[in-house]
Amino acid sequence: QSALTQPPSVSGSPGQSVTISCTGTSSDVGSYNRVSWYQQPPGTAPKLMIYEVSNRPSGVPDRFSGSKSGNTASLTISGLQAEDEADYYCSSYTSSITWVFGGGTKLTVL
Amino acid sequence: QLQLQESGPGLVKPSETQSLTCTVFGDSKSSSRYYWGWIRQPPGKGLEWIGTIYYSGSTYYNPSLKSRVSISVDTSKNQISLKLSSVTAADTAVYYCARQTGYYHDAFDIWGQGTMVTVSS
Repeated sequence: QSALTQPPSVSGSPGQSVTISCTGTSSDVGSYNRVSWYQQPPGTAPKLMIYEVSNRPSGVPDRFSGSKSGNTASLTISGLQAEDEADYYCSSYTSSITWVFGGGTKLTVL
Repeated sequence: QLQLQESGPGLVKPSETQSLTCTVFGDSKSSSRYYWGWIRQPPGKGLEWIGTIYYSGSTYYNPSLKSRVSISVDTSKNQISLKLSSVTAADTAVYYCARQTGYYHDAFDIWGQGTMVTVSS
């Protein structure tokens, strides 16, 4: 199975909004509302930020939001803060009854 | 609060079988109620899903690793085990276990701290 496609890097200034895309196929992102997003600061384990496309676990700020259109899911971070600087990964369930991650996106807060 | 802890040898020789254990702390019955996943991350690279197990024994594996991977659960010990055979340098990575929740069991919501495994002679 092929990894989902994410941009290698995105950046934004404090207070701005950034969007990270996650492109799959009709066998994964496009067919299921089962996309999750994870935040991973350097040297730490990933943290769940969004699940089932747009649901936020308790404790995750509402500055983080998720959406999906066709084969592409997106994570939007509004009101960017320095603490948001991290790697972000998407994942999706697939028609093969497996899960697949994206290649990861490094978010830099300028 | 539920916590996960991976354990196992940090150094494995090429062609050998790597064995890791994930112990669930904080809820003695957790391993019999959730799906559990193993994910790995080579140094400087992204996350790769290895496989998932349900307490009933149902397993799901990454097709690229399926021939070499085995995941099992011991509910009496609250442990999930991973075995990866015929390892090579490409299997050098941080290995994480994680609980899968949500309506569809897709969300990896609780992660262990990870354990580094190096494959080298």
